[in-house]
Amino acid sequence: DGGITQSPKYLFRKEGQNVTLSCEQNLNHDAMYWYRQDPGQGLRLIYYSQIVNDFQKGDIAEGYSVSREKKESFPLTVTSAQKNPTAFYLCASTPGQGAYEQYFGPGTRLTVT
Amino acid sequence: GENVEQHPSTLSVQEGDSAVIKCTYSDSASNYFPWYKQELGKGPQLIIDIRSNVGEKKDQRIAVTLNKTAKHFSLHITETQPEDSAVYFCAASIPNTGNQFYFGTGTSLTVIP
Repeated sequence: DGGITQSPKYLFRKEGQNVTLSCEQNLNHDAMYWYRQDPGQGLRLIYYSQIVNDFQKGDIAEGYSVSREKKESFPLTVTSAQKNPTAFYLCASTPGQGAYEQYFGPGTRLTVT
Repeated sequence: GENVEQHPSTLSVQEGDSAVIKCTYSDSASNYFPWYKQELGKGPQLIIDIRSNVGEKKDQRIAVTLNKTAKHFSLHITETQPEDSAVYFCAASIPNTGNQFYFGTGTSLTVIP
């Protein structure tokens, strides 16, 4: 099956710990994205990557880091510097090169206590 | 940057009635407008989209209309069914910005049987 996978579905961490969320796609898409979703709010862009080894900050990049070493993978690290890390995190991808359709993974719910 | 506003935030309709959700955008350079359906605890699913060179698009019970002059677009769902109950998000994308998407804050639709 083609698609975007995120793991784990639920993640619990203690305050002060870094945590890495996984995102993998087998759609051969060039561009990948990370969004954060809080209750009652829209999706806010954290980071995006148009090609391997390149990525740009979105609107709320502070306290997060990413890497894009492979086309299929775009992991997100939530660092201890992120003041309110508890949220629902969504990974997405688009084909790139002028093709706009964006597809989402199932999400990871991160709870930090 | 682009600003997308979405109304209403909640909407309840009787089964079989129609539902309309409206969005406005601020940047006239936006040229792609997708709509997503998100069920509880899941990632958003692309249900329909429209490009700026088209005024209306229909897919079975759902349709989207775009008014470029007024910078607004709407989602229309006819003959609503209980399984249509979900949160719906609109978005706008500006070309040559790394395929960034700007999302509305969502509409929680409840279809009452």
